[in-house]
Amino acid sequence: DAKTTQPPSMDCAEGRAANLPCNHSTISGNEYVYWYRQIHSQGPQYIIHGLKNNETNEMASLIITEDRKSSTLILPHATLRDTAVYYCIVRSHKYSGAGSYQLTFGKGTKLSVIP
Amino acid sequence: DVKVTQSSRYLVKRTGEKVFLECVQDMDHENMFWYRQDPGLGLRLIYFSYDVKMKEKGDIPEGYSVSREKKERFSLILESASTNQTSMYLCASSAGRVNEKLFFGSGTQLSVL
Repeated sequence: DAKTTQPPSMDCAEGRAANLPCNHSTISGNEYVYWYRQIHSQGPQYIIHGLKNNETNEMASLIITEDRKSSTLILPHATLRDTAVYYCIVRSHKYSGAGSYQLTFGKGTKLSVIP
Repeated sequence: DVKVTQSSRYLVKRTGEKVFLECVQDMDHENMFWYRQDPGLGLRLIYFSYDVKMKEKGDIPEGYSVSREKKERFSLILESASTNQTSMYLCASSAGRVNEKLFFGSGTQLSVL
């Protein structure tokens, strides 16, 4: 799976949009971009994923650049409860044996939403 | 919603003890995972299972074993606990070969003294 690069930390004012970037310049054509987040003292939580089109759900929007080498997770109106570590992960859906199940988490971006 | 339940939130054990961490999921998921999380190291995969009685080593299996006798239950075993196994342990489950979404439990903070 392709590696990702995220800033270690970001701040966002409450009520404003939080834009979290992720670089994945070595992504291959069949690899998806996933986002998870981990609120303090809890297990990670799935947010969203996409291949090349922009995606939106009730939690966030995912914008993937046309060359797919980077993406942005957008929380449209950040609240204090969005303070968490956000992980960007790139992985393939192609089954290639037991190793396909592995999901590798990096260090993520610590987002602090400030009142 | 999927619920992944880990048996203990906090656990304190002595060096050399045999430790069992239990995880149960209620959504009939085929895949189950055990991770450990340490400050500065992120989440590291210990073992996973994609079917009953099947298990695969992750990135850091040394010192651990697992058991999956029933689909809903995945146990992590520390045969002889050591202080370097003090960590947050997270269980997760997912469905199918695509393994799209992992659902995590709340974690067990294990301290080995």
